[in-house]
Amino acid sequence: SYELTQPPSVSVSPGQTARITCSGDALPKKYCYWYQQKSGQAPVLVIYEDSKRPSEIPEKFSGSSSGTVATLTISGAQVEDEADYYCYSTDSSDNHRVFGGGTKLTVL
Amino acid sequence: QVTLRESGPALVKPTQTLTLTCTFSGFSLTSSSMCVSWIRQPPGKALEWLALVDWDDDKFYTTSLKTRLTISKDSAKNQVVLTMTNMDPLDTATYYCARTKYSPSWFPYFDYWGQGLLVTVSS
Repeated sequence: SYELTQPPSVSVSPGQTARITCSGDALPKKYCYWYQQKSGQAPVLVIYEDSKRPSEIPEKFSGSSSGTVATLTISGAQVEDEADYYCYSTDSSDNHRVFGGGTKLTVL
Repeated sequence: QVTLRESGPALVKPTQTLTLTCTFSGFSLTSSSMCVSWIRQPPGKALEWLALVDWDDDKFYTTSLKTRLTISKDSAKNQVVLTMTNMDPLDTATYYCARTKYSPSWFPYFDYWGQGLLVTVSS
């Protein structure tokens, strides 16, 4: 099976930049997608195709990918950005569509 | 406005079959590149993609659960149904349905989600 690896937690102070990584062997050839899930709510797509942002998502959210690591960046993080963030992608043969284990972002 | 809503039993017994229905609006499952997926999330754990049905009635399943899952669509009713056989307490999770689109590289991703339905498996 295929795995995407995320750090379990990331913590920043309000106004700082938060970076959440996602590692996977197929990421050089496959897009990464990022989802935000606030407590008790359904996930929301914040980044698609590595770096594109849905129109309703604030510009503070950005994505990038280099080699086997994709990164979600939240500029000027605020308390309302506290959530679990999941990356999503597939293996090189498109046989295993998987989410990462999730990263809990704390802003305090 | 795209909306999706999951419905089904909140409690099932071990070995029973679970049937979940996703009722959606704001898009058509007859439109090219449109799909609906099911994803689940055990309490306190990560998301897991389960199954997908596309506009052409092609169906895809996660390898580990393929023998237990069946997905089907009724485009006229704007509904997608997922059945999972032989339920086990480890299947306790919130089950989500999500509108799914294909990227230019034909990789499916989820752009709108329902609110989810918690299903508990217990005797």
